Amino acid sequence: DQQVKQNSPSLSVQEGRISILNCDYTNSMFDYFLWYKKYPAEGPTFLISISSIKDKNEDGRFTVFLNKSAKHLSLHIVPSQPGDSAVYFCAASGTGGSNYKLTFGKGTLLTVNP
Amino acid sequence: GAGVSQSPSNKVTEKGKDVELRCDPISGHTALYWYRQSLGQGLEFLIYFQGNSAPDKSGLPSDRFSAERTGGSVSTLTIQRTQQEDSAVYLCASSLSGGAGTDTQYFGPGTRLTVL
Repeated sequence: DQQVKQNSPSLSVQEGRISILNCDYTNSMFDYFLWYKKYPAEGPTFLISISSIKDKNEDGRFTVFLNKSAKHLSLHIVPSQPGDSAVYFCAASGTGGSNYKLTFGKGTLLTVNP
Repeated sequence: GAGVSQSPSNKVTEKGKDVELRCDPISGHTALYWYRQSLGQGLEFLIYFQGNSAPDKSGLPSDRFSAERTGGSVSTLTIQRTQQEDSAVYLCASSLSGGAGTDTQYFGPGTRLTVL
């Protein structure tokens, strides 16, 4: 049973436009959400996170929105740049003693065209 | 400073053979994690080490999988009697203190394991 879902395997946008990557989760015990970015042949790198007590977190061109009632979060990248082309993973962790465990989605391949 | 390193970067083995995958975490990080990513899937948690505490092995898929962490630093993931379904990228991560999802996990480049 997939607890973190990224339903779009890929997304293509033009340079300078907004990229919106979506993520849904089913486990109501999740209280911390992260986005990781992965280039080919490299490990994932942390991008941005949000706690369940917030509905928005912004860091430069990257903003994450959380809608707890819908169990949905999204990552907005604006303006998109060709260097943003990568696989983006949504991840979540929960409360309790094993909150170090991250549950990942399958990823979305973002391609930013010049 | 140096990031998480893993070796080998690629490993091809025959079904039934044993393999060892190595991870060198970031110096000073007390928490170490192993994940694997099978084709078309997200990262799947395997095992977690924190200091001298007993590891959380709850994600290991079978008793053919084991891991150890010597001296609180280097870790080795061992897969015995490999099967074709073990083919995946095995990723190691470390974090400063562990214990919470808020403690950023830094990933190595992974070891791509192919079982023929």
